[in-house]
Amino acid sequence: QSVLTQPPSVSGAPRQRVTISCSGSSSNIENNAVIWYQQLPGKAPKLLIYYDDLLPSGVSDRFSGSKSGTSASLAISGLQSEDEADYYCATWDDSLNGLGFGGGTKLTVL
Amino acid sequence: EVQLVQSGAEVKKPGESLRISCQGSGYNFTSYWISWVRQMPGKGLEWMGRIDPSDSYTNYSPSFQGHVTISADKSFSTAYLQWSSLKASDTAMYYCARHPDYYGSGKPGAFDIWGQGTMVTVSS
Repeated sequence: QSVLTQPPSVSGAPRQRVTISCSGSSSNIENNAVIWYQQLPGKAPKLLIYYDDLLPSGVSDRFSGSKSGTSASLAISGLQSEDEADYYCATWDDSLNGLGFGGGTKLTVL
Repeated sequence: EVQLVQSGAEVKKPGESLRISCQGSGYNFTSYWISWVRQMPGKGLEWMGRIDPSDSYTNYSPSFQGHVTISADKSFSTAYLQWSSLKASDTAMYYCARHPDYYGSGKPGAFDIWGQGTMVTVSS
């Protein structure tokens, strides 16, 4: 059971915008930095957004992150077929004294 | 090029021991922590624990404490994940990833470099 809750799947048409939510609590998201990872099929995860809303060098600015209270979101604009992947949020949980990942969200580009 | 290279796939029997490795290159190995992440077949990511290679300080997820051992040899720029007695439920892909200490908080920062993964299969 993940401490962070994500929708199992989202979908969108090419060029559309989608958002993926990540819901937590005061022991994790509200008081710790949220990080997002993208995992393409059969590949290792890749850093997508760090410390709530920062974009690593080399990551497309079609990706953006935000956080409010106990929830965080990943937005992907201008959807492309290459964005089909699993997306995970992650943050430290002060109650568990460990890093928690969301259950992952599978993005399908229609 | 900064990279983490993991050891190859393993097939083991229940009860056997195993150590897999993760070698860093292209950066100062002791300047970043290494975490291990499990991904069971068709499932999500689970953080197992982390090590600071500079002093081998470790901390584990409560879910994995006592089931695995994380170690490092800074002279070889290599981190290890070890089991003393494997179970079928240990069948999974295991990733190592490097990350900083989040602003000195003692909490992991962003995992910016990942290994390619090591598939461990435990079956009788």
